[in-house]
Amino acid sequence: DARVTQTPRDKVTEMGQEVTMRCQPILGHNTVFWYRQTMMQGLELLAYFRNRAPLDDSGMPKDRFSAEMPDATLATLKIQPSEPRDSAVYFCASGIGQGTITFGSGTRLTVV
Amino acid sequence: GESVGLHLPTLSVQEGDNSIINCAYSNSASDYFIWYKQESGKGPQFIIDIRSNMDKRQGQRVTVLLNKTVKHLSLQIAATQPGDSAVYFCAEILNTDKLIFGTGTRLQVFP
Repeated sequence: DARVTQTPRDKVTEMGQEVTMRCQPILGHNTVFWYRQTMMQGLELLAYFRNRAPLDDSGMPKDRFSAEMPDATLATLKIQPSEPRDSAVYFCASGIGQGTITFGSGTRLTVV
Repeated sequence: GESVGLHLPTLSVQEGDNSIINCAYSNSASDYFIWYKQESGKGPQFIIDIRSNMDKRQGQRVTVLLNKTVKHLSLQIAATQPGDSAVYFCAEILNTDKLIFGTGTRLQVFP
């Protein structure tokens, strides 16, 4: 089965450190989403791309978060510097048009 | 505004009964809706979708109903099984491709 691959699966880091999360979308999918999930806020859309171009990153704290797609097979979400309140599960998802959007298994980030 | 909410945070049902999970959405311009199931430690998994030109769609043991007049969406699961225990999210598509999630409902199935 085609799947969205996210790395790392788990990440524990100290406050102030840089964190980079990676996502390999399903081959052929042209839309990539980044979501953050916490108990308090549920699933929040951080940013999404179409054909590697950012369409909307209004859900992302601009001062410390950045999202990029260096190529069609890789999406990255970077936090610098990280803070304890960034602790959450970060999901990447990919899709094509309004077809089924498939999620990865997530990266669980803990900032201590 | 862009918000999708759920009426019931937790739903407990007996195995074999039917489950109904409800969702209210706020953006009347949304034209595509999806239900996702999320099990512990996993990402959301697509269950069923419906477009705004339909009011009902059926899958295997699941049915989604859409009432555009009151901006309400529901997911019906027939003969609920222990494996159906999970958190269920409704989501709407805004502006053609922006997927916005509701707050989620936890479904608990007991024997």
